[in-house]
Amino acid sequence: AQKITQTQPGMFVQEKEAVTLDCTYDTSDPSYGLFWYKQPSSGEMIFLIYQGSYDQQNATEGRYSLNFQKARKSANLVISASQLGDSAMYFCAMSPLRNYQLIWGAGTKLIIKP
Amino acid sequence: ETGVTQSPTHLIKTRGQQVTLRCSSQSGHNTVSWYQQALGQGPQFIFQYYREEENGRGNFPPRFSGLQFPNYSSELNVNALELDDSALYLCASSNPGLGTEAFFGQGTRLTVV
Repeated sequence: AQKITQTQPGMFVQEKEAVTLDCTYDTSDPSYGLFWYKQPSSGEMIFLIYQGSYDQQNATEGRYSLNFQKARKSANLVISASQLGDSAMYFCAMSPLRNYQLIWGAGTKLIIKP
Repeated sequence: ETGVTQSPTHLIKTRGQQVTLRCSSQSGHNTVSWYQQALGQGPQFIFQYYREEENGRGNFPPRFSGLQFPNYSSELNVNALELDDSALYLCASSNPGLGTEAFFGQGTRLTVV
């Protein structure tokens, strides 16, 4: 069975510091995609970054990068130079490649302190 | 802002009633997925529709049903509402042939009393 584990229920980080949000996964599918989403208090899920299981390089999108370690089955999100607007819930998710039937972690609540 | 719109944004229903939630997909997207997110938890996959056919279902009872229309918009129907159905319902549209991103609507917050 597929499973996503996020072990950090909450994190406090000083503004402008980098932050790493942990995500480990379990799947028997040989091909899969890993996603990170941000959910502000308004409720909408905002796509941040995607990593395919066969991608050789770690994905990057602006201030977001994904530290993908396939052998360890981890897909940590790194946010560089954190901003107050980064305060939100962050979810790691996984799906078989390209079917977008996402399995989600429990989320990490990130609070950026000024 | 995505092109995915959900309606209504909030509603309150009584236990035992039926509810229909609606989702318009982003232009060019042929796949709609529905998720249930209970308070303080991650979303759970309900089902997915691809070109008007159900294309996968999570661990939800048959009283959760859906439809997809020729314009790829979708409905989620829940019969015999239970208190535990209170949650944020999210829909996401995608086109696996186009790219890797699924776009979400703002969600419908359902309260069952």
